[in-house]
Amino acid sequence: QKEVEQDPGPLSVPEGAIVSLNCTYSNSAFQYFMWYRQYSRKGPELLMYTYSSGNKEDGRFTAQVDKSSKYISLFIRDSQPSDSATYLCAMSAFTTGFQKLVFGTGTRLLVSP
Amino acid sequence: DTAVSQTPKYLVTQMGNDKSIKCEQNLGHDTMYWYKQDSKKFLKIMFSYNNKELIINETVPNRFSPKSPDKAHLNLHINSLELGDSAVYFCASRPRGLDTEAFFGQGTRLTVV
Repeated sequence: QKEVEQDPGPLSVPEGAIVSLNCTYSNSAFQYFMWYRQYSRKGPELLMYTYSSGNKEDGRFTAQVDKSSKYISLFIRDSQPSDSATYLCAMSAFTTGFQKLVFGTGTRLLVSP
Repeated sequence: DTAVSQTPKYLVTQMGNDKSIKCEQNLGHDTMYWYKQDSKKFLKIMFSYNNKELIINETVPNRFSPKSPDKAHLNLHINSLELGDSAVYFCASRPRGLDTEAFFGQGTRLTVV
């Protein structure tokens, strides 16, 4: 079983839709939670991060963490074709005294005009 | 200036060959990683180095040998290449701290024929 599970998609939505992307994890040592966006043939880039249970909002994006359920979400409001990319959740913890960064499998999102 | 640069960007080689991928970061970060991304977009950690010291080796075959001559460089040498090694390999760097952003290179697309 992977430490972080994520539905690979693809998820196809029309422009303007609300998108919900989710990850579950098994390691309770994870303390910081991030969402990366990866466009085709590019490296992942950080979109948002949060470290506590609850919501964090940044423009059209909202990151939500529920540590008790080991579940995190990313919501995208008013989705745009430019949001079409692969979204990877990532989690960070100390292991053997140093930081470990583990990614989910990524969800491919397609927003059609 | 590119923050994390990898060379080469594309690599096509025959089974059994030995090849190297180079990575350099000019961000002054302490930690560097190698990730392997398969065709399903799963980004799996291979190695993590902190100040030239190997910290994490995630059950990667011995054919893969990372080398960090200094804090700014982390190279990956692969011996006796196999078909299953075909993937995109990403180098990343990150400053110390759980909540810090990892910066990725553009990736090296390795194809073993």
